[in-house]
Amino acid sequence: AQRVTQPEKLLSVFKGAPVELKCNYSYSGSPELFWYVQYSRQRLQLLLRHISRESIKGFTADLNKGETSFHLKKPFAQEEDSAMYYCALHGYQKVTFGTGTKLQVIP
Amino acid sequence: EAGVAQSPRYKIIEKRQSVAFWCNPISGHATLYWYQQILGQGPKLLIQFQNNGVVDDSQLPKDRFSAERLKGVDSTLKIQPAKLEDSAVYLCASSPEDRGFTGELFFGEGSRLTVL
Repeated sequence: AQRVTQPEKLLSVFKGAPVELKCNYSYSGSPELFWYVQYSRQRLQLLLRHISRESIKGFTADLNKGETSFHLKKPFAQEEDSAMYYCALHGYQKVTFGTGTKLQVIP
Repeated sequence: EAGVAQSPRYKIIEKRQSVAFWCNPISGHATLYWYQQILGQGPKLLIQFQNNGVVDDSQLPKDRFSAERLKGVDSTLKIQPAKLEDSAVYLCASSPEDRGFTGELFFGEGSRLTVL
């Protein structure tokens, strides 16, 4: 079975502070991990995927197979980063989402 | 490129009534998903279609929920009869891949159901 765990429901940080949204997964094969984001009143959309190893809006995420983690990081939070963030595991023909973390950036 | 379209955006019904949601995926996308998102929770997969065949419906409450994908294009999700616990946002998503690992999912705006 594939499972995604996001331990924090809410993460509050001050503007300019570093951000780390945690994601751990369980999967028997080699997974593909994604982060999706949902801004207020917008649809759920892709933020980044591990396979492309890119930085989007200053966010990065590294797949750590030893720790089965895919934490999302940003060195300096901005107010516009406030949103719901979902970690997702794309397994073979199946996509599983975590429960999400609400990031609140305090001005 | 037009995105995933869903309707209606909002629906309020009483328990035991029926409701149907419609989804039109991005043109050419082989895989279509219906997710249920209850307030405070992550999206939960209800059913996944690949073209017009069902790939996974293991979490679909089949005694009250049904879904079909006509001609491998648009899809409808029906609930009959509705229960209070069905109050949620129903998300439709599509993906271009039709085999193996899925790529990016493209989501619609969702249909918010309130059951009174």
